[in-house]
This record gives sequence, structure tokens and C-alpha cells, in this order.
Amino acid sequence: KNEVEQSPQNLTAQEGEFITINCSYSVGISALHWLQQHPGGGIVSLFMLSSGKKKHGRLIATINIQEKHSSLHITASHPRDSAVYICAVRPQGAQKLVFGQGTRLTINP
Amino acid sequence: DGGITQSPKYLFRKEGQNVTLSCEQNLNHDAMYWYRQDPGQGLRLIYYSQIVNDFQKGDIAEGYSVSREKKESFPLTVTSAQKNPTAFYLCASTDSSGSYNSPLHFGNGTRLTVT
Repeated sequence: KNEVEQSPQNLTAQEGEFITINCSYSVGISALHWLQQHPGGGIVSLFMLSSGKKKHGRLIATINIQEKHSSLHITASHPRDSAVYICAVRPQGAQKLVFGQGTRLTINP
Repeated sequence: DGGITQSPKYLFRKEGQNVTLSCEQNLNHDAMYWYRQDPGQGLRLIYYSQIVNDFQKGDIAEGYSVSREKKESFPLTVTSAQKNPTAFYLCASTDSSGSYNSPLHFGNGTRLTVT
């Protein structure tokens, strides 16, 4: 079992829909990252969380440390949001990140 | 603008040849990382460096080597000992030695194909 599990693995939705991507992890962590990877391959850091909730534009990330769970929400989704979204955690005391397998999101016009 | 530059974007090599992937950053970051990405798998750490002239093996270091002679440069050599080198390679950096409150910055990656 992976230390970081994302769901769903693939998600297709229509433009304008509210999107939720989930990330569950099995170890104590000091931080959780949400990343976005576009078809060209480059990766952009969206959020880094250690508690609570963060918002940037149409993107919202939440984390529940007790339940070891985080969600990434996209409001009013747009075709340009189509990408792979990756969750990564930094286990407590570790220098390295552990990555989920990613969620491939496709938004159709 | 500051960022991480990986070159080349695509690289083709014959089996048995060593190949070096370039990673340069002008963000003045201390820590740099090399990851490998294969279809359907999460990123896996190859090597990382928290300071100049020092580096540590990651989870899949066999068949790879690195150097960190300058703060801004962290080249990765894929040697002929790497059994399955065809993959997408990503370089990343953070602004301190892996502090939990440091966001990651990534390059655009190098896709290596070995035939």
C-alpha cells in the first residue's frame, strides 16, 4: 500500500463543474503539497499546507491532520485546468517528500 | 525571472552510453533534488543535495551519479549500470535544507529515451 493515495485516478468533467480531488496518507507529516503537472511535463507548486485551509483564485486546499486527509477543490472549472494533480507529503522528521500517483483531470468545454 | 532550467528537453541515447542531464537554478536555493517519473507511478527520488559539495542517495540511486560543485548546478549522470533508464527526469529545488515550510520549484523536465 502506498503511503500516499489519491482518488480518483482519473476525472473527467464539464466546464463549470466543482471538482474535488482527494489525498489520504498513512504517516505523521510536517507538510503536504499540492502540485500541478501540465501535458508538457513541468510541475508547478499550488499549495503547501500544514493545517487548515488555503485559497488561491478558484483553487482551495484543505487538510485534516487527525484524519490524515487533504482535498483540493476547483470551483468553476475550465478546460485550462486540465492537468495531473499530485499530492506529496513530508513525513515528520524526514528530509524527503513522498508522492501520490497523481489524478488526471480533464475538463471538457 | 528566477527559475530552474533543465536541458535538453528530449534526449536520445544508445544502450551502454552514459548521459548527463543538466539542472541549473538562479533562485539561490540550498537544496536540490532529482526525481524520476514513470507512467502510472508517483515521483521517485534519485539523489538530493542540501548544500554545495554534499549529496545523499534517494530511494532509487543505483545506476545514477550526481555532483554539486556549485550552488546553482546539480547535474545528473545516468550510467550504463542503470537497467531501465528510459523515463522523464525532473529537477527541483527549495530555498532551505528541506525545511517543511519551503515550497518546491521544479524544472520542465528531460525526457530520456535509451534504445
